[in-house]
Amino acid sequence: AQRVTQPEKLLSVFKGAPVELKCNYSYSGSPELFWYVQYSRQRLQLLLRHISRESIKGFTADLNKGETSFHLKKPFAQEEDSAMYYCALSSRDKIIFGKGTRLHILP
Amino acid sequence: GAVVSQHPSWVICKSGTSVKIECRSLDFQATTMFWYRQFPKQSLMLMATSNEGSKATYEQGVEKDKFLINHASLTLSTLTVTSAHPEDSSFYICSASPPAGLTDTQYFGPGTRLTVL
Repeated sequence: AQRVTQPEKLLSVFKGAPVELKCNYSYSGSPELFWYVQYSRQRLQLLLRHISRESIKGFTADLNKGETSFHLKKPFAQEEDSAMYYCALSSRDKIIFGKGTRLHILP
Repeated sequence: GAVVSQHPSWVICKSGTSVKIECRSLDFQATTMFWYRQFPKQSLMLMATSNEGSKATYEQGVEKDKFLINHASLTLSTLTVTSAHPEDSSFYICSASPPAGLTDTQYFGPGTRLTVL
């Protein structure tokens, strides 16, 4: 079964500390994985995708097929990073979302 | 960048009535639109995939007769919640994909909050 698991509902991190949002997936085949972000009172938007291997707003995510993971990382958290983060997997013609992790950056 | 709008942004209706929610792609043509439902503090649940000019594809467990989807043009898809009941109260979000884009190139609307009394 295709599934995206985000084990943490809430993650609180002090400003300047490293951030890691966990994501594991279950998929038979070559997955396409993404991270979406939803800031307070804003719409959902794409943060990054694994095929681009890019860094957006200081965030990176590496696909680890052996561990079936796609964790989102940032070395130094900023207050504006507080938001809801969703890991997602592209399956055929649709996207499957994880349950999301709320990242709260403490001052 | 690509913009997707939804109308209305919120609606309150009486139990038993029907409510229509519009999703528009403002500056691109969307071959495919998606409808999601989001419960408080929970993830997005895909309800259906709407393809222009053809019938929508519903996810398992979603009643097609209750959630009517029409995608009559490349810029507009509508979701009608028929005979709404309080349990249908939720946040409904649409997204749209341009024709040449990959599945991942989805642009999300701001959502519509439906409250059924």
